[in-house]
Amino acid sequence: AQSVSQHNHHVILSEAASLELGCNYSYGGTVNLFWYVQYPGQHLQLLLKYFSGDPLVKGIKGFEAEFIKSKFSFNLRKPSVQWSDTAEYFCAVKRKTSYDKVIFGPGTSLSVIP
Amino acid sequence: DTGVSQDPRHKITKRGQNVTFRCDPISEHNRLYWYRQTLGQGPEFLTYFQNEAQLEKSRLLSDRFSAERPKGSFSTLEIQRTEQGDSAMYLCASREASSGNTIYFGEGSWLTVV
Repeated sequence: AQSVSQHNHHVILSEAASLELGCNYSYGGTVNLFWYVQYPGQHLQLLLKYFSGDPLVKGIKGFEAEFIKSKFSFNLRKPSVQWSDTAEYFCAVKRKTSYDKVIFGPGTSLSVIP
Repeated sequence: DTGVSQDPRHKITKRGQNVTFRCDPISEHNRLYWYRQTLGQGPEFLTYFQNEAQLEKSRLLSDRFSAERPKGSFSTLEIQRTEQGDSAMYLCASREASSGNTIYFGEGSWLTVV
């Protein structure tokens, strides 16, 4: 079965520190990849997505992610985090052959300390 | 607000009672999804509609769960004979066919079964 794993359950960083959140998926075929963010008390919002082309994808709020097909990975990065980045981050994968089922990882909780 | 809206936002019910959640997708989005999310976990796919047709159901969706989208607009998710294990956030999401696979989530309906 297809699955998505995220390396860290909870990450704590100081402001201005660099961020990298790991994501790996198990499906070997063509996939679409996403990172969603959920700020406290808010709904899930799309940060960025990869469908094809340049494997380095830039999203909103200074986030980027790199798709490495050989490693089945789609890690999220930000060079300098802010307190307002405190949130839950979810990696998600959709197989191109599936109707529309997007599978989410378990999430990584990021806490940024001012 | 033209986003995905869900009602009610919170529901507390006694075990054995039936509950129904409503989702109004973004206007003209023909695809609608239901997910379930428990604390510390990512959203789990439950079911998906294209217009009024229910195209895929997860094995998580036992026979106590039923979802409908009678006119291809709003959708309802009913849980019969609720159990404590049904306590979760029920998320609705939608997208239009040509949106590049980006799905937009509502704020969710919290269910607590006591």
